Amino acid sequence: AQTVTQSQPEMSVQEAETVTLSCTYDTSENNYYLFWYKQPPSRQMILVIRQEAYKQQNATENRFSVNFQKAAKSFSLKISDSQLGDTAMYFCAFMKGGQAAGNKLTFGGGTRVLVKP
Amino acid sequence: DAGVTQSPTHLIKTRGQQVTLRCSPKSGHDTVSWYQQALGQGPQFIFQYYEEEERQRGNFPDRFSGHQFPNYSSELNVNALLLGDSALYLCASSPQGGKTDTQYFGPGTRLTVL
Repeated sequence: AQTVTQSQPEMSVQEAETVTLSCTYDTSENNYYLFWYKQPPSRQMILVIRQEAYKQQNATENRFSVNFQKAAKSFSLKISDSQLGDTAMYFCAFMKGGQAAGNKLTFGGGTRVLVKP
Repeated sequence: DAGVTQSPTHLIKTRGQQVTLRCSPKSGHDTVSWYQQALGQGPQFIFQYYEEEERQRGNFPDRFSGHQFPNYSSELNVNALLLGDSALYLCASSPQGGKTDTQYFGPGTRLTVL
């Protein structure tokens, strides 16, 4: 079974600064996907960024980027130029790949990010 | 194009009662997954439905059951409610029988068991 661990329960950052969230995972799979989801107070789970395990290049989406270290089973999220709207819970998630796998997500416990003006 | 919708938004029940939660997937999606999110925790996978059958199941008791209709919408039923069932229940839909990494979430149903 896969496990996902987020070791930082809460982080705060000043507006316009950068914050990095940590995530480690444990799996014996070689084909998988990793995700960061954002959950604001509205509760809607929003996909922030995704990474295919077979790709060495780190994914980037505007102000969001990841540092994917496959050997270390580490998948951190960097939020640059933080904005007040980035305040939310952030969840790291794992999905086993392959056609027969179906797309069940395994989530970490989350990191609360507070952006201060 | 409507996204994933869930009803009701909030629900209050008492211990021992039964509850039904509903989910309509995003247009074009045929697979529905349900997750339970306890307060302050990450979502936990309950089960997934495809072609009107339960295809995968997480570590949840048989009190949790579901159904998928021909129009791909889905229901989650919980019998004999316990206080510990209080949580946000999230529905997520996927296209292509769930054989992609794409998953879209609904806004959730907040269930409170008294």
